[in-house]
Amino acid sequence: KNQVEQSPQSLIILEGKNCTLQCNYTVSPFSNLRWYKQDTGRGPVSLTIMTFSENTKSNGRYTATLDADTKQSSLHITASQLSDSASYICVVSQGGFKTIFGAGTRLFVKA
Amino acid sequence: DSGVTQTPKHLITATGQRVTLRCSPRSGDLSVYWYQQSLDQGLQFLIQYYNGEERAKGNILERFSAQQFPDLHSELNLSSLELGDSALYFCASSVAAVYSHGEQFFGPGTRLTVL
Repeated sequence: KNQVEQSPQSLIILEGKNCTLQCNYTVSPFSNLRWYKQDTGRGPVSLTIMTFSENTKSNGRYTATLDADTKQSSLHITASQLSDSASYICVVSQGGFKTIFGAGTRLFVKA
Repeated sequence: DSGVTQTPKHLITATGQRVTLRCSPRSGDLSVYWYQQSLDQGLQFLIQYYNGEERAKGNILERFSAQQFPDLHSELNLSSLELGDSALYFCASSVAAVYSHGEQFFGPGTRLTVL
């Protein structure tokens, strides 16, 4: 069954600390993997998109990694800020029209 | 600001009623996608239109329907509303006809409350 599982479900960190969010998928075939940031009550905003051949992609303080062999991705946030408090959603596309959304990780950054 | 607009921002209605949500895509985008996000739930893909034609269908109920007009704006119609339909409804747009082939830009959402 095609699934995208994210962990942890929620995470609390102190401002300035780093954190890593995980995404494991069983989707096949694989086309690309995206990470989105969604502030509460707002629409998701794309952070990174990675295809099969890419294993790292950065967007400012956000760095995503992809291991297509183990079907795992991570999103690393460096020097967290209060504005990083949001849900982070991993989305895997099979190609064509099939896309599987993860349930998201809710991150809380405390002062 | 993603360039995708949605109206209304909030909608409160009663069970059994029918509502219409509206979305205008970014300039130049031909694809429009609709998503439902219930409280503390993940995004659920409902339906996609590309240049006026239905392109892909997700978990859309038969009580729900959508269309995309010649000017590329889209409407999502929800009928015979139930309490469980209360959710945030997002519209997204992209240039690509196929989701996996490009960036999607999300609108601010419409919050529907069914009482």
